[in-house]
Amino acid sequence: DGGITQSPKYLFRKEGQNVTLSCEQNLNHDAMYWYRQDPGQGLRLIYYSQIVNDFQKGDIAEGYSVSREKKESFPLTVTSAQKNPTAFYLCASSITGTGGDYTFGSGTRLTVV
Amino acid sequence: ILNVEQSPQSLHVQEGDSTNFTCSFPSSNFYALHWYRWETAKSPEALFVMTLNGDEKKKGRISATLNTKEGYSYLYIKGSQPEDSATYLCASSNYGQNFVFGPGTRLSVLP
Repeated sequence: DGGITQSPKYLFRKEGQNVTLSCEQNLNHDAMYWYRQDPGQGLRLIYYSQIVNDFQKGDIAEGYSVSREKKESFPLTVTSAQKNPTAFYLCASSITGTGGDYTFGSGTRLTVV
Repeated sequence: ILNVEQSPQSLHVQEGDSTNFTCSFPSSNFYALHWYRWETAKSPEALFVMTLNGDEKKKGRISATLNTKEGYSYLYIKGSQPEDSATYLCASSNYGQNFVFGPGTRLSVLP
């Protein structure tokens, strides 16, 4: 079955360390997205990629980095520069870059200890 | 950045009750609105996509309406069941901009 896989489900990181969250899709979707959710807030866009080897900053990109070397994969690195990294991270994809018709992964909960 | 709001923040209803909640968005240069249903420990699931003023969509006991002139969409659930318990998200975009999600309405249906 086609879908999006995020791993790991739970991740603990020591303050000052970089950590990479995985997102893989086998839907042949062109566009992929990373969102962050904090309590009481909507999903906020971190980075998105409309096509391989291209990506754009979203609304809250500071302290994060991404790559899109393959169509299927869009890993997100949470760097030590991210001041409040503890959050729930959700990856999504869509057929085209116009977005909205998202297929979501099941998320990764990152906790900084 | 668009400001998308949802109300109420949370809602408790009895099994069998009908309910509705609201998504508000800026009406200028509106492009599309999506509703998602997000059950705990699962991925958000697409319910509806609406683009035209006056659109009405229905899936089983769930329906949605869209008013792009005044900038709101209603989601209705008829005869709520415990399995309807979830967070309902809306996402809106204007032309040329990314979709912005509202904070969601958390629905709990009590048996």
